[in-house]
Amino acid sequence: DQQVKQNSPSLSVQEGRISILNCDYTNSMFDYFLWYKKYPAEGPTFLISISSIKDKNEDGRFTVFLNKSAKHLSLHIVPSQPGDSAVYFCAASGTGNQFYFGTGTSLTVIP
Amino acid sequence: GAGVSQSPSNKVTEKGKDVELRCDPISGHTALYWYRQSLGQGLEFLIYFQGNSAPDKSGLPSDRFSAERTGGSVSTLTIQRTQQEDSAVYLCASSSDLAGRETQYFGPGTRLLVL
Repeated sequence: DQQVKQNSPSLSVQEGRISILNCDYTNSMFDYFLWYKKYPAEGPTFLISISSIKDKNEDGRFTVFLNKSAKHLSLHIVPSQPGDSAVYFCAASGTGNQFYFGTGTSLTVIP
Repeated sequence: GAGVSQSPSNKVTEKGKDVELRCDPISGHTALYWYRQSLGQGLEFLIYFQGNSAPDKSGLPSDRFSAERTGGSVSTLTIQRTQQEDSAVYLCASSSDLAGRETQYFGPGTRLLVL
């Protein structure tokens, strides 16, 4: 049973425009959320995180928004660059040691 | 400094054989995770080690899967009597975390193919 869902397997965006990647979760006990970026043949690398006490966290071109009532989070990349082309995973955790990952969204930024 | 390393990078085996996958975490990291990613799926949690505590094995899919972590450093994931559905990328991650909130650093993964 997938507790973290990324319903868009792929997304294409023009360079310089905004990329919006979405993630939904079902477990209301989740209180910490992360985004990871993965290039082919490499492990995921941490991008940005947000705690449930916040609704927004910004780091340079990357902003994560959390809507707890909708159990939804999104990652905004502005402006998008060709080097941002990768697979993006969202992940969530609550009490305990487990992190639950989505299935990933493959972002292509077109030059 | 060195990141998380995993070996082998690729492994092809025949159904029914045993395989061992190795993970070298970042030096000093007390937490170590194993995940697997099957085709078209997200990362599936397998097992978690934290210091000298008993590991959290709740994600292991069957008793054919086991893992150990020697001396609080290197970890080995063993799959006995491999099945075709075990084919996946097996990822290891480590963190310095004691409270479940620190960044996990992932290795490049081991791509396992069971024929």
